[in-house]
Amino acid sequence: SYELTQPPSVSVSPGQTARITCSGDALPKKYAYWYQQKSGQAPVLVIYEDSKRPSGIPERFSGSSSGTMATLTISGAQVEDEADYYCYSTDSSGNLWVFGGGTKLTVL
Amino acid sequence: QVQLVQSGAEVKKPGASVKVSCKASGYTFTGYYMHWVRQAPGQGLEWMGWINPNSGGTNYAQKFQGRVTMTRDTSISTAYMELSRLRSDDTAVYYCVHDSSGYPGYWGQGTLVTVSS
Repeated sequence: SYELTQPPSVSVSPGQTARITCSGDALPKKYAYWYQQKSGQAPVLVIYEDSKRPSGIPERFSGSSSGTMATLTISGAQVEDEADYYCYSTDSSGNLWVFGGGTKLTVL
Repeated sequence: QVQLVQSGAEVKKPGASVKVSCKASGYTFTGYYMHWVRQAPGQGLEWMGWINPNSGGTNYAQKFQGRVTMTRDTSISTAYMELSRLRSDDTAVYYCVHDSSGYPGYWGQGTLVTVSS
């Protein structure tokens, strides 16, 4: 089965840049999406189609993708950005949804 | 505005079945696939499958095949997910998720299913 691989945790100080990666064999052909999930809440989309930002998402959130790796970048991370982040994509057929294992971002 | 409202928390014994509902509003129910995603306590997101509300066609993740059934009632814009032969490791929050052109768009509020003897 298809898998997306993320680091379990990333830690930065407030104001620093946080980068969270997601690797998958189908990413050269499939878009990556990024979700933020805070404790007890449903996930919220922060990046779609590799690098687009939904309305209402702060400009410090950005995304990129190259080859088999997609990256979520939070420039000038804030304490309120502490959350779990999940990448999402589909397998090469497009029929199966796949989530990465999640990355816990700590900002302190 | 798209809204997905799920049924309330459930407590079930091992071996039983659970059926979670998801009432959709704010869009044409038959126009978009509905997916189900679950999250065990302290764990990541796990995709379970989808239903095409227009045709009733389904596609289940291999892990759940034989135990999960996704259905819908178009007259009340509601999707259902039934999981049978419950085990303790099925304890999780179950989400219905609107397929916004190939990706998870709108999420329900989640339904906690606890499996305990």
